[in-house]
Amino acid sequence: QKEVEQNSGPLSVPEGAIASLNCTYSDRGSQSFFWYRQYSGKSPELIMFIYSNGDKEDGRFTAQLNKASQYVSLLIRDSQPSDSATYLCAGSSGSARQLTFGSGTQLTVLP
Amino acid sequence: DGGITQSPKYLFRKEGQNVTLSCEQNLNHDAMYWYRQDPGQGLRLIYYSQIVNDFQKGDIAEGYSVSREKKESFPLTVTSAQKNPTAFYLCASSPRQGAGTEAFFGQGTRLTVV
Repeated sequence: QKEVEQNSGPLSVPEGAIASLNCTYSDRGSQSFFWYRQYSGKSPELIMFIYSNGDKEDGRFTAQLNKASQYVSLLIRDSQPSDSATYLCAGSSGSARQLTFGSGTQLTVLP
Repeated sequence: DGGITQSPKYLFRKEGQNVTLSCEQNLNHDAMYWYRQDPGQGLRLIYYSQIVNDFQKGDIAEGYSVSREKKESFPLTVTSAQKNPTAFYLCASSPRQGAGTEAFFGQGTRLTVV
């Protein structure tokens, strides 16, 4: 059974702080990892994906992947109240690149 | 504009009824997926399709059926055999090329059993 687990929330950070979201996965065959942001009642929207070990930066967001430890993380620098949402981690595997999702971490950025 | 369109946005079903959720994409993507999301939980895969006229069961396929007669369309039928169908249903598509290929989501259909 492929599993993706996310650190339990909810997580609250003050505006301007760094938010750190973590995820571990069980399937070593997972090829790529994705971070989605989901606002309440809305569909997920992609923030970043990563498939090589190391860091990948995009604006205020940095994704980190460590395949040996089967660990993925997302850092959000200079957090804003608009970043308040549920963040979903997903791993991709199989011929159809189907995604296995974690249960999500709810982030609240306090003004 | 390219994208994925799900309809209806809200759907109410009486117990014992079959209902069909529509999903259309004009992104020319090969792969399409159906996920279910329950409150406070992540997404669980119901069915997926990599090519026209072919589809595979996901983790929670029981009580659901799909078809893929056209590349653009991947409708999901929630049958009366699905005992707890109230959930948020999300359709996604992917070009299915390369290691970093992401899935794009439609706006979702919220199904409620009345």
